[in-house]
Amino acid sequence: GAGVSQSPSNKVTEKGKDVELRCDPISGHTALYWYRQSLGQGLEFLIYFQGNSAPDKSGLPSDRFSAERTGGSVSTLTIQRTQQEDSAVYLCASSVGPLTEAFFGQGTRLTVV
Amino acid sequence: AQRVTQPEKLLSVFKGAPVELKCNYSYSGSPELFWYVQYSRQRLQLLLRHISRESIKGFTADLNKGETSFHLKKPFAQEEDSAMYYCARKVYNTDKLIFGTGTRLQVFP
Repeated sequence: GAGVSQSPSNKVTEKGKDVELRCDPISGHTALYWYRQSLGQGLEFLIYFQGNSAPDKSGLPSDRFSAERTGGSVSTLTIQRTQQEDSAVYLCASSVGPLTEAFFGQGTRLTVV
Repeated sequence: AQRVTQPEKLLSVFKGAPVELKCNYSYSGSPELFWYVQYSRQRLQLLLRHISRESIKGFTADLNKGETSFHLKKPFAQEEDSAMYYCARKVYNTDKLIFGTGTRLQVFP
């Protein structure tokens, strides 16, 4: 596809379960970003990748959160032992490089019950 | 830490009124700043960036280094401008992109 694709679109999970969120960036985009969007919190930076490496993981809320990127393409954000406060929309974006536009996916709405 | 601050959560105006969405950034020399917009049920998308000095959909934003601001302005708001607006910046010497908390613009008929 031409745009950033995220799956699943919606995920409902029970508290304590692990979830994996997937992001397919635009082909050729070296930078990939994960954000969390929740009401009243705006867009919270989680992590970004330059190629397969993550220069900055400072935004990950806890050690239950991890992310990886393989082949300079697909990225997976994993949340272990989910908690209700993890409920939010998780957004992925990619860009070609500095000073260029970041293109966003449609997001994954995570609900922890 | 390099930050972006959007002091208003909600801005409500009537159609035809001028609009100014405020954005302030923490000083870091030459910042790279952007405005992103999210219309209802649509993806977040770039509206404009300061290096382009462009006007998109009637919106402009001027970088004021003295006031460390990058306010978004439009002289005559339209109903279709109703959306969530985010100010963003690249962290110096990295590709990290951070956002403000956003301002919801409501334009009433």
